[in-house]
Amino acid sequence: DTGVSQNPRHKITKRGQNVTFRCDPISEHNRLYWYRQTLGQGPEFLTYFQNEAQLEKSRLLSDRFSAERPKGSFSTLEIQRTEQGDSAMYLCASSGRVRLAGVHGELFFGEGSRLTVL
Amino acid sequence: SQQGEEDPQALSIQEGENATMNCSYKTSINNLQWYRQNSGRGLVHLILIRSNEREKHSGRLRVTLDTSKKSSSLLITASRAADTASYFCATVTGANSKLTFGKGITLSVRP
Repeated sequence: DTGVSQNPRHKITKRGQNVTFRCDPISEHNRLYWYRQTLGQGPEFLTYFQNEAQLEKSRLLSDRFSAERPKGSFSTLEIQRTEQGDSAMYLCASSGRVRLAGVHGELFFGEGSRLTVL
Repeated sequence: SQQGEEDPQALSIQEGENATMNCSYKTSINNLQWYRQNSGRGLVHLILIRSNEREKHSGRLRVTLDTSKKSSSLLITASRAADTASYFCATVTGANSKLTFGKGITLSVRP
């Protein structure tokens, strides 16, 4: 399977704990995005990388959130001192070479990592 | 903030009927895209229309774009039960290709 892979798919944690999600994008895609989605809402942009550089961060991304993309391949999203309001689906997407993506701007999404904070 | 707003919020139709979903947005766009999401799953790209295009087709999908009205519509013809899902429009406003999504439309196709 050469799609976007996210792990873990589900995470249940207690308030105050730290959690980390991993995203493996489609090989050779140079852009990687993180979105957050709550029930009944559309995905909200969190941050994105072009290669290893983090080019934009949403105001939604508080100091408790940090994302990295070392070497421009996989990415991690860490949430420190989780709060109940962090409960959501965290979606990763990638895009990149036009010849692979087919059209400029099309994003390929993973299945998401669902976080439940008790 | 969410750029696109879809209308209606929910749509229920009979299998075989056509489904029309609308999206309005606020600022100038580079392109507009439609995505589908089955319950609890990731999003799947359906179709992209650029700001200089007015209509595009892909299989049973037809998308129109009216930049003067800042609106788009997605038509699914001859709907099937498998089309039951949430549909989102998303806009790209700049060269960085960041997508901004609407809240989505829930489509139910009754067999």
